[in-house]
Amino acid sequence: GENVEQHPSTLSVQEGDSAVIKCTYSDSASNYFPWYKQELGKRPQLIIDIRSNVGEKKDQRIAVTLNKTAKHFSLHITETQPEDSAVYFCAATGGSYIPTFGRGTSLIVHP
Amino acid sequence: DAGVIQSPRHEVTEMGQEVTLRCKPISGHDYLFWYRQTMMRGLELLIYFNNNVPIDDSGMPEDRFSAKMPNASFSTLKIQPSEPRDSAVYFCASSLTGNEKLFFGSGTQLSVL
Repeated sequence: GENVEQHPSTLSVQEGDSAVIKCTYSDSASNYFPWYKQELGKRPQLIIDIRSNVGEKKDQRIAVTLNKTAKHFSLHITETQPEDSAVYFCAATGGSYIPTFGRGTSLIVHP
Repeated sequence: DAGVIQSPRHEVTEMGQEVTLRCKPISGHDYLFWYRQTMMRGLELLIYFNNNVPIDDSGMPEDRFSAKMPNASFSTLKIQPSEPRDSAVYFCASSLTGNEKLFFGSGTQLSVL
């Protein structure tokens, strides 16, 4: 089955800096890569996703890049703000339709 | 639509008791997933349904866990008997089709004493 590795597990930045979270996956059949944000005590919610026919996607301050050859994808957050502090999960979904999640990255943005 | 609805939000029970968690997916969504979240293991998929049929229950930890989806608008996850190591947040999620974003419920915080 699919295996998703996510790094780092914790990321601490100053407000205004950029943050990058990286994930690798093992199943070459995976073709859908969503990112979820989970604030403390809340449910995970989708913030951005990308499909395998696209290399990069951007939505305001967040962007996701995908390298299918290397089987890795990354989340980029620019101009970080305190409200970006949360746990971020990457996921990969392939032919089985089962989303496999990374272990999560705790992002802390210091004012 | 009100989104995915889970109940109860919090459940505190004693070891050995039966626990039933409930989920109402978004209307029209064909897929329903049950996840368990802990600090140690992250988000673990327990079981998922497609059109009310269980497709993969390989993540269900033991026979103490069972899940049903009697119709398109209701699913239950049952633990009998419960144990302290079952303490976790249990999320239900639904998606329109396969390979689509998941909509999560608010979760059930389960504490087994």
